[in-house]
Amino acid sequence: AQSVTQLGSHVSVSEGALVLLRCNYSSSVPPYLFWYVQYPNQGLQLLLKYTSAATLVKGINGFEAEFKKSETSFHLTKPSAHMSDAAEYFCAVSVYSNYQLIWGAGTKLIIKP
Amino acid sequence: EPEVTQTPSHQVTQMGQEVILRCVPISNHLYFYWYRQILGQKVEFLVSFYNNEISEKSEIFDDQFSVERPDGSNFTLKIRSTKLEDSAMYFCASSSKETQYFGPGTRLLVL
Repeated sequence: AQSVTQLGSHVSVSEGALVLLRCNYSSSVPPYLFWYVQYPNQGLQLLLKYTSAATLVKGINGFEAEFKKSETSFHLTKPSAHMSDAAEYFCAVSVYSNYQLIWGAGTKLIIKP
Repeated sequence: EPEVTQTPSHQVTQMGQEVILRCVPISNHLYFYWYRQILGQKVEFLVSFYNNEISEKSEIFDDQFSVERPDGSNFTLKIRSTKLEDSAMYFCASSSKETQYFGPGTRLLVL
């Protein structure tokens, strides 16, 4: 069975600082991994995905994530935070079958001016 | 750019009433999904639909829930007799393979 753990329900960084949101997964087979972002009162927008190609994945808005099989991690980073990055970020895993997504609990990113 | 649409954006209903949430997936997608997110909680999988039938469903998706693809474009979620605990944001998603694209959601409030 697959599962996802996101460390930290809230992460606060200063504008211009590095953003690091942690995600660890559990899967018995090679997974697909995703980061979605949810802005207040909005839907879920795909940020980036890992589907067994390059382990370093670049997404929208300057975000990237690295798949590390040995650590079962897929942490999300951005070199320099912007106020507009304030949102909730969800890590999710799926495997080949019906591609059902299993979700982490989410991390709310707070940007301090 | 094609997108998933959902109607209505908000729905308020009385406990025990039936509600139908509607979704129009991206036109060439084959897999369809419903998820829900209770306020302040994580997103939960409800059901997936492929080749005109349910391919997988969660424990949440009990006999009160049903899904249908009544025509070539719509995908609906019906809750037969709503309960207070059904209050949540309901998201529809579609995919051609592993990457799911989500609609903006329907916020359901059961009173």
